[in-house]
Amino acid sequence: NAGVTQTPKFQVLKTGQSMTLQCAQDMNHNSMYWYRQDPGMGLRLIYYSASEGTTDKGEVPNGYNVSRLNKREFSLRLESAAPSQTSVYFCASSEADRNTEAFFGQGTRLTVV
Amino acid sequence: GENVEQHPSTLSVQEGDSAVIKCTYSDSASNYFPWYKQELGKRPQLIIDIRSNVGEKKDQRIAVTLNKTAKHFSLHITETQPEDSAVYFCAASFFNNDMRFGAGTRLTVKP
Repeated sequence: NAGVTQTPKFQVLKTGQSMTLQCAQDMNHNSMYWYRQDPGMGLRLIYYSASEGTTDKGEVPNGYNVSRLNKREFSLRLESAAPSQTSVYFCASSEADRNTEAFFGQGTRLTVV
Repeated sequence: GENVEQHPSTLSVQEGDSAVIKCTYSDSASNYFPWYKQELGKRPQLIIDIRSNVGEKKDQRIAVTLNKTAKHFSLHITETQPEDSAVYFCAASFFNNDMRFGAGTRLTVKP
């Protein structure tokens, strides 16, 4: 059972380049999330999806877009990367509408130069 | 959206001592309060959680308390061990929607 899988694990982008971070879960969860983690700032919610076909903005959505491709997959896109988007990105999933554990992927370390 | 504040940002204790981390939340509708532990270079993992209909929950050396009136909850670790050294995050949400995290507490347990 793989849980939550993110790709890639590491990425270096030049300012202005675009890229998509991929996330897939095999736990049949309805809810999926994208967080960014910066030193001293904890985990900040970028977007979340409570179910297939729905997405909602979180705390820091500017500069990002998301797609809930199907129940398993939730991708995060940076259209024009900026140095301020240098961070570690985590995808997570959980059962929807229930107070249960969220499972995290292994993270993607993104550097924008 | 929900706003979660966490204190202290760093905490250093001697092995065997207790550690307490406190969080406050802003949205009275929040009903789920998990705590996650993140070791260096690893993903966050759940260590304990509490729902709004419960005031306290214990799991061996770890306990969490919730005060809904004051909108704060705390993590208590007793008999700390070096392997407890990590970053701890609190979070709050309403049925796992829009889950917001605190800024984290770096706990160091000195042998």
